[in-house]
Amino acid sequence: DAGVIQSPRHEVTEMGQEVTLRCKPISGHDYLFWYRQTMMRGLELLIYFNNNVPIDDSGMPEDRFSAKMPNASFSTLKIQPSEPRDSAVYFCASSAQGQPQHFGDGTRLSIL
Amino acid sequence: AQKITQTQPGMFVQEKEAVTLDCTYDTSDQSYGLFWYKQPSSGEMIFLIYQGSYDEQNATEGRYSLNFQKARKSANLVISASQLGDSAMYFCAMREATPGRRALTFGSGTRLQVQP
Repeated sequence: DAGVIQSPRHEVTEMGQEVTLRCKPISGHDYLFWYRQTMMRGLELLIYFNNNVPIDDSGMPEDRFSAKMPNASFSTLKIQPSEPRDSAVYFCASSAQGQPQHFGDGTRLSIL
Repeated sequence: AQKITQTQPGMFVQEKEAVTLDCTYDTSDQSYGLFWYKQPSSGEMIFLIYQGSYDEQNATEGRYSLNFQKARKSANLVISASQLGDSAMYFCAMREATPGRRALTFGSGTRLQVQP
């Protein structure tokens, strides 16, 4: 079975550019989560969706960040404009109700 | 206050020996779940084991077991017969049952190094 698929795996871009991260959850999972991992803050939730509806976006740092889930098989996390402090590994995870979350391989983002 | 505390930044263990990674948690919910994830140097997050707050038995998955002590609010991971491939970061995480709080809260992690 296919796991959670994230793209790109690596992204290097210059400050001020728009960055779009993509995620395809496991089929049948109705929860989708975006996490960010940094050395300073560890793993922290950015936003999560249930049945494509955003439930908790309290972790989204600021208005530069936005996330969408237009359908059950696709989600995007967008940063516009990007800043060097956004450099991190961004994970997408999905789960079924009451089940463990399964993570994608992450996107390593570097903003120069 | 931190909800998940992992007090061991790093641990060493000899190959084939058992090791315990500590995790304590804080929640006012009666229903919650505790998870352990492994993150090898390649970076992916691998689910290892789950313990529900109402589970009477400690969870086990192969060489992994979870030593759940509810009164102490601890959920330690025990790895038996360590292998070189167990060298990785290990994260303890909690999911609370409160509606709207289905995401995981992670600890800071423990880096385990298995020595030959």
